[in-house]
Parts: sequence; structure tokens; C-alpha cells
Amino acid sequence: DTAVSQTPKYLVTQMGNDKSIKCEQNLGHDTMYWYKQDSKKFLKIMFSYNNKELIINETVPNRFSPKSPDKAHLNLHINSLELGDSAVYFCASSQDRAGSSYEQYFGPGTRLTVT
Amino acid sequence: RKEVEQDPGPFNVPEGATVAFNCTYSNSASQSFFWYRQDCRKEPKLLMSVYSSGNEDGRFTAQLNRASQYISLLIRDSKLSDSATYLCVVISYGNNRLAFGKGNQVVVIP
Repeated sequence: DTAVSQTPKYLVTQMGNDKSIKCEQNLGHDTMYWYKQDSKKFLKIMFSYNNKELIINETVPNRFSPKSPDKAHLNLHINSLELGDSAVYFCASSQDRAGSSYEQYFGPGTRLTVT
Repeated sequence: RKEVEQDPGPFNVPEGATVAFNCTYSNSASQSFFWYRQDCRKEPKLLMSVYSSGNEDGRFTAQLNRASQYISLLIRDSKLSDSATYLCVVISYGNNRLAFGKGNQVVVIP
């Protein structure tokens, strides 16, 4: 059973397009995250939701909009894609936001290439 | 100063040797610390939490130095399978700050 799943695994698209990445976790966790890992392998948090409430919203362009329909899902929609958006996007979840419950489980990543 | 800093390396380690590296953090209010391991083209996975008193898991030892604001990871008797990038994570609950370091790349050489 896959704990944290993301779709699609690969996404190749042209500049200016709008795309979505979906994430689902079947661990019963309350908190979910989106990360961006660029070509230099730097993993940077973008958003975090706890029970569908946005709790971390880093400085990212407002072309990026997360949506959490329920606590098991956190989707990422990106408008007007730019070349610099090319990266691997990881979804993650954790049981809670404190102490040992903060262990995060990551999805396999979505490799986005903007041409 | 960056929130979390790591020397990216690579750290080339002969098989069987010991390797250690640090991760420094800037926020003195940080409360939780973790080491994650990331293999090439894979997702990060938790290696171990870092407790104030230090902790050990087999060949891996993690330490926290609050005074100097760094955590460390030591790998004894390195195996080829230890080759990976080791990411530190620093969390401050009060202001919901969560930051990953850029990682220490370890290459174990036969």
C-alpha cells in the first residue's frame, strides 16, 4: 500500500500552461506539505496544511495555489507556468506538527519540466 | 545567514571508515531536529530524530549542540549502501518555521 502518492510522476508542459499535481495520503495524518526541490537539490517548503487549514505559506508566487478538499488530499495548481518552475515537487504528510509526530512521509515526487 | 546550512561535500569515505558532518541553524528558538536520507532521484526518508541528549541507532549517532546551534551525524563502519545525501531539518513550532538544509552528500568508496 502506498502511503503518500502523487500524480503524475512526470509532467512536461509548455510555458504559459496551467497544470495540477495531486497528492493523497492513506496514513490518517493531519498535516500535509508541498516542497520544491530545484536542480541544485535544495528542498524548500512551499505550503503546509493541518486539517485543511493553511498553516505554512512560504513566499511563493501566487501562481501556485494549494487546495485541500479533505485532510487526506492536498493538490497543487500552478498557473502560467514558467521555465523556473521546472523542479521536482514533493508532497509529504505527518501525523501532527509537534515532536516525534512531526516525522514526515514523502511521496515519490513529480518531476515537472517546463519547455 | 541561512536558516540551515550544510557543507554539500561530497564526502568521499572509504568503506569501513567513519564519517561525520554538521548542520548549523540560525534560529535559537528551534525545537525539533531530524536527519533525513535522500537517495538519487528518490524521496527523502527519515533517518533519525535528534534528541537533546543525543541518540544512536546502530552505526548512526546524532548529536545536538544548542549552545553552538548545530546538529551532527556520525556514521561508523560505512557501507556502500550508505551512499546518499543526508538532509537536516530544523523546526520551530512557535512561528511554524520548517527548514531543510541542502544536504551532505556521502559517497562510500569500495
